[in-house]
Amino acid sequence: DAGVTQSPTHLIKTRGQHVTLRCSPISGHKSVSWYQQVLGQGPQFIFQYYEKEERGRGNFPDRFSARQFPNYSSELNVNALLLGDSALYLCASSLAGGQFAEQFFGPGTRLTVL
Amino acid sequence: DQQVKQNSPSLSVQEGRISILNCDYTNSMFDYFLWYKKYPAEGPTFLISISSIKDKNEDGRFTVFLNKSAKHLSLHIVPSQPGDSAVYFCAANNSGNTPLVFGKGTRLSVIA
Repeated sequence: DAGVTQSPTHLIKTRGQHVTLRCSPISGHKSVSWYQQVLGQGPQFIFQYYEKEERGRGNFPDRFSARQFPNYSSELNVNALLLGDSALYLCASSLAGGQFAEQFFGPGTRLTVL
Repeated sequence: DQQVKQNSPSLSVQEGRISILNCDYTNSMFDYFLWYKKYPAEGPTFLISISSIKDKNEDGRFTVFLNKSAKHLSLHIVPSQPGDSAVYFCAANNSGNTPLVFGKGTRLSVIA
């Protein structure tokens, strides 16, 4: 069975641009969470979506947004990129919302902002 | 304000010996704790967890100990193997139902 998949693997953007990252959950999983992992830090929670609705949001500015599609895949959008947005963005899926302890992580998208 | 702290950025252990990774937390609401292992170019993989109603949980070579009064947990790997070389993250939440809060990670190197 395929695990959580993310695309693209790597991405380079310049300050002020916007970026869209994509995630496909494990088949049968209906919830997707997004995390940001800055170099030298642990993953930090950004959003959780379940059944296309936002179920949780971390302490991130409004430049960060996300959505979930009917097939449960998800997009993370970041506008007006800053140098500090350079990070590994991880997607995790679980069967249902709120199940943070039963999440499976994807390999991540490495975003570099120049 | 770091709620989950892993104060050792790195640890080197010889193959066959015990690896002990430590984690401290400050939030008294945390009652569920997890350890994840992360290899380069891969996402974190769940390793083992423990609820605050227990003080020990064992799974094969991996054992997690929880000291609630000290707000401290540790992961023991015995015997350590070269394939255990990875970054280990400690994470915590409330009853498994709130977003995970991660520590900064400890890079374990197991030397053959």
